[in-house]
Amino acid sequence: DVKVTQSSRYLVKRTGEKVFLECVQDMDHENMFWYRQDPGLGLRLIYFSYDVKMKEKGDIPEGYSVSREKKERFSLILESASTNQTSMYLCASSLLAGGLNEQFFGPGTRLTVL
Amino acid sequence: QQPVQSPQAVILREGEDAVINCSSSKALYSVHWYRQKHGEAPVFLMILLKGGEQKGHEKISASFNEKKQQSSLYLTASQLSYSGTYFCGPQLTTDSWGKLQFGAGTQVVVTP
Repeated sequence: DVKVTQSSRYLVKRTGEKVFLECVQDMDHENMFWYRQDPGLGLRLIYFSYDVKMKEKGDIPEGYSVSREKKERFSLILESASTNQTSMYLCASSLLAGGLNEQFFGPGTRLTVL
Repeated sequence: QQPVQSPQAVILREGEDAVINCSSSKALYSVHWYRQKHGEAPVFLMILLKGGEQKGHEKISASFNEKKQQSSLYLTASQLSYSGTYFCGPQLTTDSWGKLQFGAGTQVVVTP
């Protein structure tokens, strides 16, 4: 079974802090994604990566950056956390580029910025 | 750019049927459907490609009409285990990377 793990289930940070969210997948998937989930808005794509060191902006990249130094690990970085970044963050991976591959999601990190 | 899902929520008794619709303003290449139970990660249900095909997962099936840029998910003879939030995730024809534009979700509650 594909397993996507995220470093924390719950995280509380203060405004202005630099925040790192880590995601690891164990099935050699090419694509990795970071989504933000908010009530009534569904899943919105922040960034995705189709290969090591390669990244593309999603629909809401402002205030975020990403890093993918190894194939299995994809990190989301909040350079200076703000209260409007309080949300559930979901990481996902899929085998190959293209839309014919299902995405496997991690359990999510609920981030609260005070 | 986000697809529109309807209804936002539906309450069913066990054994009843329901339809969830997903409409996009842009041309679609494929549509994914996922279900998320409370407190859990979204789980893949099925992918539909253009061509009007239908697919099934248990007693859940779906259709995709690329001309109308719409997909529908059919919950037939619903079971308690069908409760959760259903998301459609269309892939646009202009995208080659497999990015999905998820809808806001439809909350389904199945009661005994």
